[in-house]
This record gives sequence, structure tokens and C-alpha cells, in this order.
Amino acid sequence: NAGVMQNPRHLVRRRGQEARLRCSPMKGHSHVYWYRQLPEEGLKFMVYLQKENIIDESGMPKERFSAEFPKEGPSILRIQQVVRGDSAAYFCASSPLVGYEQYFGPGTRLTVT
Amino acid sequence: DQQVKQNSPSLSVQEGRISILNCDYTNSMFDYFLWYKKYPAEGPTFLISISSIKDKNEDGRFTVFLNKSAKHLSLHIVPSQPGDSAVYFCAAIVGGGADGLTFGKGTHLIIQP
Repeated sequence: NAGVMQNPRHLVRRRGQEARLRCSPMKGHSHVYWYRQLPEEGLKFMVYLQKENIIDESGMPKERFSAEFPKEGPSILRIQQVVRGDSAAYFCASSPLVGYEQYFGPGTRLTVT
Repeated sequence: DQQVKQNSPSLSVQEGRISILNCDYTNSMFDYFLWYKKYPAEGPTFLISISSIKDKNEDGRFTVFLNKSAKHLSLHIVPSQPGDSAVYFCAAIVGGGADGLTFGKGTHLIIQP
């Protein structure tokens, strides 16, 4: 049973470009979460999605960030017009049940130059 | 406002001894607690969890203790092994809730030979 898959593992973007991060949850998991980790910090919750629905986006910046989890295909975290402060590790997690253990992918390291 | 605090950024323990990692929380709504282990450039790996209806949960070398009145939990690793060297994150959630996990900033455990 494959774990949570994220790609790309590393992404370099220039300021003003768009970044698209993809996440495929573990088989049988319908709950997907995105987190961001800044250097020397813990992981911060961004958004929780189920298929075709955003359930909680309270941790996501109001501008430039969006997330989706379509009926078919991976979940996508999209950052428009990236700025240097967006440089971080972005982790996706999935769970079979809401509100309990979450299983994390390897992360995407975004660098904005 | 940090709702989950890990006050020791690092901890050094000799191989074979017990490692004790501590975590405090302020939000009394949290009722499910988790520990994750993280190696550099990888995603967090789930280790062990505990519900607020228990005060102890054990899994092999790992034991988590919960003191609800003090809003404190600890992870005990015994005996400590070189492969245990990693950053350990404490996380909390309202069980069954739609929020993401709230993480502490982590403790870097170093196992010395």
C-alpha cells in the first residue's frame, strides 16, 4: 500500500510565477490536509479537503493561495504570484477518519528566487 | 499564541538510556494527542497517539503519558537507539473535528553512542 505521494519534491520559482503542488492520498483515504513548515518552526495547518469539497481553509492565506481535491486525480495546492516569503516545505497528509491520525507525504520544498 | 509548546529545542541522550520528550498545551478542547518523528528532508512519521480518556499508551519502546490536569504530555523512548535521532513533534486535535493538527515546534533528539 503506497504512502502519501507528493510531487514535485523540489520546486524553484521566480517571484511572480505560479507554483502547483500535487498530493495523492493513501489508498482508501478520503481526507486530505495541507501544512506549511517554515525554517525552525513546526508545521502549520493550511486547509482540509474531502473529494470536491473544501471543509476548512482557516489556515490558508486569503490571497494567492487556493486548494482543490477533484473527483478524479490528486489534490492541488496552488500559489499564484509567489513571493520570497512563500519559500517553505509544504506537506500533505491524508487520513481514513477525520480528526485522528494523519499520514504525511515527503513534502515539496518550494524555493522562490 | 502557541497552543502546543515544546520548550526544549534539543535533547541529548546516551544510547541505551531513556529519552523523555515533553509537551504542554493550552487549549482544553484538545482531546487527542499525537507524536511524530521527522528526519531531514522527509515528511513526519506517525509514532503514537493517546486519547484524553487514557493517561498512558504504550507501543514497543514508545510510551506516551498524558496528564490532563496539568495539560502536559510526554513521550518516553526506552531504550534509546541511534536511529531515534530525529526531530520529534507533539501534535493535538479535537478528536473527530474538522480542524488540522496543531503542532509544537519540535525537539531535536540526539542519541549519543
